[in-house]
Amino acid sequence: AQTVTQSQPEMSVQEAETVTLSCTYDTSESDYYLFWYKQPPSRQMILVIRQEAYKQQNATENRFSVNFQKAAKSFSLKISDSQLGDAAMYFCAYSRSAAGTYKYIFGTGTRLKVLA
Amino acid sequence: DTAVSQTPKYLVTQMGNDKSIKCEQNLGHDTMYWYKQDSKKFLKIMFSYNNKELIINETVPNRFSPKSPDKAHLNLHINSLELGDSAVYFCASSPTTTYSYNEQFFGPGTRLTVL
Repeated sequence: AQTVTQSQPEMSVQEAETVTLSCTYDTSESDYYLFWYKQPPSRQMILVIRQEAYKQQNATENRFSVNFQKAAKSFSLKISDSQLGDAAMYFCAYSRSAAGTYKYIFGTGTRLKVLA
Repeated sequence: DTAVSQTPKYLVTQMGNDKSIKCEQNLGHDTMYWYKQDSKKFLKIMFSYNNKELIINETVPNRFSPKSPDKAHLNLHINSLELGDSAVYFCASSPTTTYSYNEQFFGPGTRLTVL
């Protein structure tokens, strides 16, 4: 069964600095997708970035980028120029189609604090 | 315009009661989901519906019964509430059920507290 592990329950970063959140996953499949979702105090889950496993190029979205290491089954999120609004829970998720459907498997989350 | 809405946002009730949470999406998506987020923030899928048809049922007690009157609505009815049901319940939707690349759009969550 697939599992997703986020080993950092909590991280802190100074405003304007860079922080990296870790995520590892376990799968025997070669074709799948990985996501980072943000959950601010408002509770609304928002997609930050996603990566297709068959693409070697790391995804980037403005200040957010990933370091995808397929062989190591690692999918870390780098946030550059951290802003106060980045403070939130961040969830890593794995998804793969099977039997005509798919579902997300989420990690346990990392709480990011941004210090002014 | 809210894409995925849930009512109510907060629900406080006594053990043994029956309660419902409603979800509506105005994105025209075919697929809707219910997730449970426990006190440790662990988020786990409960159900998935595609065009009113149950696709995923993740070993949830049969006290939980989802109902999809149409593809824009997915309600969750819970019978005989227990203390362990206290959690935040999220509804989500995605365009289809077949492409795992699809983003899921989440509602604001319903915090259920069972006393």
